[in-house]
Amino acid sequence: DAGVIQSPRHEVTEMGQEVTLRCKPISGHDYLFWYRQTMMRGLELLIYFNNNVPIDDSGMPEDRFSAKMPNASFSTLKIQPSEPRDSAVYFCASSPWELNTEAFFGQGTRLTVV
Amino acid sequence: SQQGEEDPQALSIQEGENATMNCSYKTSINNLQWYRQNSGRGLVHLILIRSNEREKHSGRLRVTLDTSKKSSSLLITASRAADTASYFCATHLNRDDKIIFGKGTRLHILP
Repeated sequence: DAGVIQSPRHEVTEMGQEVTLRCKPISGHDYLFWYRQTMMRGLELLIYFNNNVPIDDSGMPEDRFSAKMPNASFSTLKIQPSEPRDSAVYFCASSPWELNTEAFFGQGTRLTVV
Repeated sequence: SQQGEEDPQALSIQEGENATMNCSYKTSINNLQWYRQNSGRGLVHLILIRSNEREKHSGRLRVTLDTSKKSSSLLITASRAADTASYFCATHLNRDDKIIFGKGTRLHILP
């Protein structure tokens, strides 16, 4: 398996534009996590899914953020409209269903909103 | 909100010395994990310790867990330049399946 795949690796967009980040988890993993990393706030859990169902989205900062997982092999994180304070590195991670297992991270998407 | 808090925030040591990083957390856990992040890269899992374990080893890594104090430590022995990275503790909570990260310790190994 190629690991967790995120796209794009870098995204620069203008304020007010819609941004869509994509993630392909490791095949067979039941959990998918979206994190945001900034210098000020560290790694924040935004939302996570179990078997494609959103379980906890309490970390999603505002209604401008939405996430979907239409099937077991694909998830998106959308920001509409984007703002400069959304600039961060967004990570997707997946994990098997068993307890006491690790999370496998993608390489992240570096988002810059100007 | 952050569950784990690493200490120190930054650490610089000479190559060959041992590096110790600490992590404190707030609520009961299933397990605690340590990850490494090289600059500009994703996080890589290093080691996992279950809540009923007290110590675990993996190569030059030694992790301890004290659930009564809600704390863990990561020891890297005989440090190398390649160990320069940020290190994060992550807690897998009892009450749900979240994996929550601390803010990390930036480790710099001096040649």
